[in-house]
Amino acid sequence: DAKTTQPNSMESNEEEPVHLPCNHSTISGTDYIHWYRQLPSQGPEYVIHGLTSNVNNRMASLAIAEDRKSSTLILHRATLRDAAVYYCLVPNAGGTSYGKLTFGQGTILTVHP
Amino acid sequence: EAQVTQNPRYLITVTGKKLTVTCSQNMNHEYMSWYRQDPGLGLRQIYYSMNVEVTDKGDVPEGYKVSRKEKRNFPLILESPSPNQTSLYFCASSPPLLAGGRYNEQFFGPGTRLTVL
Repeated sequence: DAKTTQPNSMESNEEEPVHLPCNHSTISGTDYIHWYRQLPSQGPEYVIHGLTSNVNNRMASLAIAEDRKSSTLILHRATLRDAAVYYCLVPNAGGTSYGKLTFGQGTILTVHP
Repeated sequence: EAQVTQNPRYLITVTGKKLTVTCSQNMNHEYMSWYRQDPGLGLRQIYYSMNVEVTDKGDVPEGYKVSRKEKRNFPLILESPSPNQTSLYFCASSPPLLAGGRYNEQFFGPGTRLTVL
């Protein structure tokens, strides 16, 4: 997997946008960028993924830098239920470690009322 | 309901007593995986399976075994548990990894909290 770097923690106020950054400077051309989140006392859940273009779904948006060395998960209006650990993953697209996934420590997002 | 189930959800055991944590999915997924989660270390992959009878090591396989005899089940076996295997364990499954490097969404189970005394 491409190594990813995320801030340990971030804070936001309710109903404000949140931009969660992830650096993945060793990403290769065919690697997808995935985001998961883990709510307290639950297993991780999928949020979004993308390759080159910005992506939107009902949960969030994913903005990918033009050189693909970084990406940003955007929560447009944070709610208290968005308080979670957010993980950025860039798994190998192929090779001997295809199937191996590295989650890392993620970013702890705190949302204040 | 589509889901990944794990049993038991909580287990306290003693050093050296063999145990198995079961994982089952009802979504006909090819890919399954086990993770452990420890404070300060995040989520680390133990073993994964691309399909029946195909398993491979993740980042922290030492002290664990797995088997994949049928598609729906992927048990995690601790032959001789030790206190350093006290952790929160998650099982996950997904449809097959797609061509071109695209990974499908993984579905996680609720977790098994294991304490080894």
